[in-house]
Amino acid sequence: GAGVSQTPSNKVTEKGKYVELRCDPISGHTALYWYRQSLGQGPEFLIYFQGTGAADDSGLPNDRFFAVRPEGSVSTLKIQRTERGDSAVYLCASSTGLAGSNEQFFGPGTRLTVL
Amino acid sequence: AQKITQTQPGMFVQEKEAVTLDCTYDTSDQSYGLFWYKQPSSGEMIFLIYQGSYDEQNATEGRYSLNFQKARKSANLVISASQLGDSAMYFCAMREWDSSYKLIFGSGTRLLVRP
Repeated sequence: GAGVSQTPSNKVTEKGKYVELRCDPISGHTALYWYRQSLGQGPEFLIYFQGTGAADDSGLPNDRFFAVRPEGSVSTLKIQRTERGDSAVYLCASSTGLAGSNEQFFGPGTRLTVL
Repeated sequence: AQKITQTQPGMFVQEKEAVTLDCTYDTSDQSYGLFWYKQPSSGEMIFLIYQGSYDEQNATEGRYSLNFQKARKSANLVISASQLGDSAMYFCAMREWDSSYKLIFGSGTRLLVRP
């Protein structure tokens, strides 16, 4: 079956611009996560959705970052007034949301470059 | 304090030999899970193995096994019979069941398998 997909795969933008990154989770997965991975580091948690609601947004670095999941499936991460420090790979993951090991399935990521 | 510590930035192993990648963790939760992910140069995160804090047996998945020492708070990954395709970044991650659904990742270990 289809895995987690993310678009675009690469995004180059200028400092100060607005960007949207899209994540399409595995069908039926109720839990969706966004992570950010800077060069040479492990992924860092940004936000977690259970269904349509953001259950934990404690990892969003500041109010320039916002994410939505209006119908409980596709999610969009929105970054306003981008800064060079926002350059990273943004990873999306989904899981069934059920108890247990709850493996998170990751998408291929969006590489964001802010010039 | 670091929640997940991977002290080996890089490791070499000869093809067909076994290798151990170290991971120590820090949590006050009683219920938690430990994960290992592989990230090849293509960038996708591939789930390898999971160990729950209450699991009495060490987890095994094919050539991967997890050496879980709860008292020492370590969860080392053992890869047996290394293959050239095992060359990648390896990340240890933890999920604290009592407090969050997010994964907390270490900084990773780059493994290179020599022919």
